[in-house]
Amino acid sequence: TQLLEQSPQFLSIQEGENLTVYCNSSSVFSSLQWYRQEPGEGPVLLVTVVTGGEVKKLKRLTFQFGDARKDSSLHITAAQPGDTGLYLCAGARRNTDKLIFGTGTRLQVFP
Amino acid sequence: ETGVTQSPTHLIKTRGQQVTLRCSSQSGHNTVSWYQQALGQGPQFIFQYYREEENGRGNFPPRFSGLQFPNYSSELNVNALELDDSALYLCASSRGQGMGETQYFGPGTRLLVL
Repeated sequence: TQLLEQSPQFLSIQEGENLTVYCNSSSVFSSLQWYRQEPGEGPVLLVTVVTGGEVKKLKRLTFQFGDARKDSSLHITAAQPGDTGLYLCAGARRNTDKLIFGTGTRLQVFP
Repeated sequence: ETGVTQSPTHLIKTRGQQVTLRCSSQSGHNTVSWYQQALGQGPQFIFQYYREEENGRGNFPPRFSGLQFPNYSSELNVNALELDDSALYLCASSRGQGMGETQYFGPGTRLLVL
């Protein structure tokens, strides 16, 4: 059973469009991380959100942690081809030893 | 680049064989976690090593084992390989145990079991 479900699984858009990726769970997490992974490489951390309702911005990327700390979203404004990749959310629970990854969203941005 | 290196980059084995994958952690990091990423899926936690001791394990059978050395580099060993073991194996290093620490991932080793 996958604890963290991401939607959509695949997204193919034109440069300049906006998009939102969702990460949902029935479990509460102490923190949630977003990663981007490109072919042939390991995941690279984009952001960590810790507080329920927290919003963080990284240039054109906006990350939000749900009030109940069970879900998160990633919004990209004016997508560019360089945003292409696999986006992964990952949840951590206090006093546990494993990072639980979501199912992933594969984004393709065409010029 | 994260400073985490893995070897080899690619590997082909046959069912029943054994494999050893290696990971060098980033300087100053004492914790290494290993993940299995099947094609089209997110990484699944295998286990974590902190100061040479196993510090937690995911839902993987005992034929998946590991080691961490005094310099904090690590090995992942898989015995009696099965076709379903084909995946990208990622290691990640961090400054301390617990998932609150930022993990830095290596590029992975892609294993194909025939």
